[in-house]
Amino acid sequence: AQKVTQAQTEISVVEKEDVTLDCVYETRDTTYYLFWYKQPPSGELVFLIRRNSFDEQNEISGRYSWNFQKSTSSFNFTITASQVVDSAVYFCALSEAYRNQGGKLIFGQGTELSVKP
Amino acid sequence: DADVTQTPRNRITKTGKRIMLECSQTKGHDRMYWYRQDPGLGLRLIYYSFDVKDINKGEISDGYSVSRQAQAKFSLSLESAIPNQTALYFCATSDYSAGGYNEQFFGPGTRLTVL
Repeated sequence: AQKVTQAQTEISVVEKEDVTLDCVYETRDTTYYLFWYKQPPSGELVFLIRRNSFDEQNEISGRYSWNFQKSTSSFNFTITASQVVDSAVYFCALSEAYRNQGGKLIFGQGTELSVKP
Repeated sequence: DADVTQTPRNRITKTGKRIMLECSQTKGHDRMYWYRQDPGLGLRLIYYSFDVKDINKGEISDGYSVSRQAQAKFSLSLESAIPNQTALYFCATSDYSAGGYNEQFFGPGTRLTVL
């Protein structure tokens, strides 16, 4: 069965600190996709990144970076120089890859990040 | 206008009542999904649909039913609401391309309270 674990329920940092959100997943599939979504206090879900299981290159987008390691089944998310606007709940998710599997997302429990000024 | 809309945005109802949550999308996607969010549990899949004729149960479908009235519309019904169905409900859409399943686009959510 597929599973995503975000062991950090809550993280609190002071502005400008770097912070890493952990994500560990389980799947028997060899091809799959990994995602990160952000849920700010307003409640909507904002897509951040999609990663194919064959692509283990790390990705950087501004202050955000992602480290994907198949050997440890992890897809961690780092925010550099955090800002108050980064305060949100962050979800890691796993999806099957094949067309007939439906693209269903399996979500982790979420990590609530609080960035204090 | 938003690509994925949900109505109502908030609803308070009583145990035993029938409730329908509606979702519409303008993205032209054929896949649509219903999830519920509970504190500490993340989002869990209730139902998903490939197209109008193909509807599938998700992880937690008991107590729920769905209807795909058109490619753009996917409704979720609680036939007899109970308090533990109090949650935030999200509709989402996606499509499949040569590169596989793309990201899901979520509606704004419906906060349902069952008293």
